Amino acid sequence: AQSVTQLDSQVPVFEEAPVELRCNYSSSVSVYLFWYVQYPNQGLQLLLKYLSGSTLVKGINGFEAEFNKSQTSFHLRKPSVHISDTAEYFCAVSSGGTSYGKLTFGQGTILTVHP
Amino acid sequence: ETGVTQTPRHLVMGMTNKKSLKCEQHLGHNAMYWYKQSAKKPLELMFVYSLEERVENNSVPSRFSPECPNSSHLFLHLHTLQPEDSALYLCASSRWGQALNTEAFFGQGTRLTVV
Repeated sequence: AQSVTQLDSQVPVFEEAPVELRCNYSSSVSVYLFWYVQYPNQGLQLLLKYLSGSTLVKGINGFEAEFNKSQTSFHLRKPSVHISDTAEYFCAVSSGGTSYGKLTFGQGTILTVHP
Repeated sequence: ETGVTQTPRHLVMGMTNKKSLKCEQHLGHNAMYWYKQSAKKPLELMFVYSLEERVENNSVPSRFSPECPNSSHLFLHLHTLQPEDSALYLCASSRWGQALNTEAFFGQGTRLTVV
């Protein structure tokens, strides 16, 4: 069984400040990790993914995340946020195999960027 | 045209009604998924179809009935729903198969309200 915990339900931050959204997971098998973003009244858009290889992955819109196997974490970071980054962010894990579409999601973190 | 299209975007139905949600993907994927996003709960995987066969049903009540007539279309037939079924229903697709996997691509969702 897998589970994902997003440690912060809401993160307020000022524009141009750095931000980190925290995600921890548990799984008994190899995992594949994803961050998705959801803007109001929209579906989910993939920000970045870790499948294998380098533990530091870069995504769209200047976001990056680091896979830490020993700490079972996959925290999302951005060095300088914009107002347009205001959205809800979801960390998700897949056991992979034949499908990366079977996902277990965290509860979500609402990022609010203030001017 | 977007990769995964869901219709309708909004639906209000009474508890005795029968309605259907439609999802269409234009990405050449061979797996499709229904997810449910309720307020204050993590996204839940409901159904998985691979090559038009249902491969997973995550203990979803029988008042939800999926149908996948071909690899591009997925339906969710609804009947005698309860108010607690009100949620955002998200469709997703991906490529399924060893070494061919892709991440899940999501539609914009159908906001369902049961009155």
